Amino acid sequence: AQKVTQAQTEISVVEKEDVTLDCVYETRDTTYYLFWYKQPPSGELVFLIRRNSFDEQNEISGRYSWNFQKSTSSFNFTITASQVVDSAVYFCALRPLYNFNKFYFGSGTKLNVKP
Amino acid sequence: DGGITQSPKYLFRKEGQNVTLSCEQNLNHDAMYWYRQDPGQGLRLIYYSQIVNDFQKGDIAEGYSVSREKKESFPLTVTSAQKNPTAFYLCASSMGGSGTPDTGELFFGEGSRLTVL
Repeated sequence: AQKVTQAQTEISVVEKEDVTLDCVYETRDTTYYLFWYKQPPSGELVFLIRRNSFDEQNEISGRYSWNFQKSTSSFNFTITASQVVDSAVYFCALRPLYNFNKFYFGSGTKLNVKP
Repeated sequence: DGGITQSPKYLFRKEGQNVTLSCEQNLNHDAMYWYRQDPGQGLRLIYYSQIVNDFQKGDIAEGYSVSREKKESFPLTVTSAQKNPTAFYLCASSMGGSGTPDTGELFFGEGSRLTVL
């Protein structure tokens, strides 16, 4: 079975706080790809990052960082020094190699960053 | 600019009417997808197409139909058979093709919000 769980439905923080969005996945495939998307109020999903299952290096891009741990099947996303513009719904997704027509999306985490 | 264009952005429908949502891409992608998003939920796959003149049902295809006559276009028709059509609809594309598994990211349009009156 393939499944992505984002247990945090909604998170509220004050600007400049750090925040971590959790993502736990289930898959029987040995090769798969993990993604994070941001959905601002406008509705369009914006691609943030793609990770393959063989690359467990953490990644940092500006204020964003991602922690991929295969041992715990997690792919968590941290925003450092959050800003109001970070307010959005964030989705984690799984794309297995051998059923690549399917993306498995989590239910999303709504992040509210207050000034 | 390369991207995906969905229209209309907002659409109202009376019960019993069919409506068609447009999706056009100029990214030269082979694969196109339609997703449905309901409040507080993730995206659910309606239909997808890996190549022109071919498409497959996704997880919630009942009450929907699609066509793929051109590489650039993948319109979605919400038929009167769809019992609960009020939702946000997202079209997406990915590179696809080339005979190898497509492992890239999806590119999304801005979505169409359908409301049944």
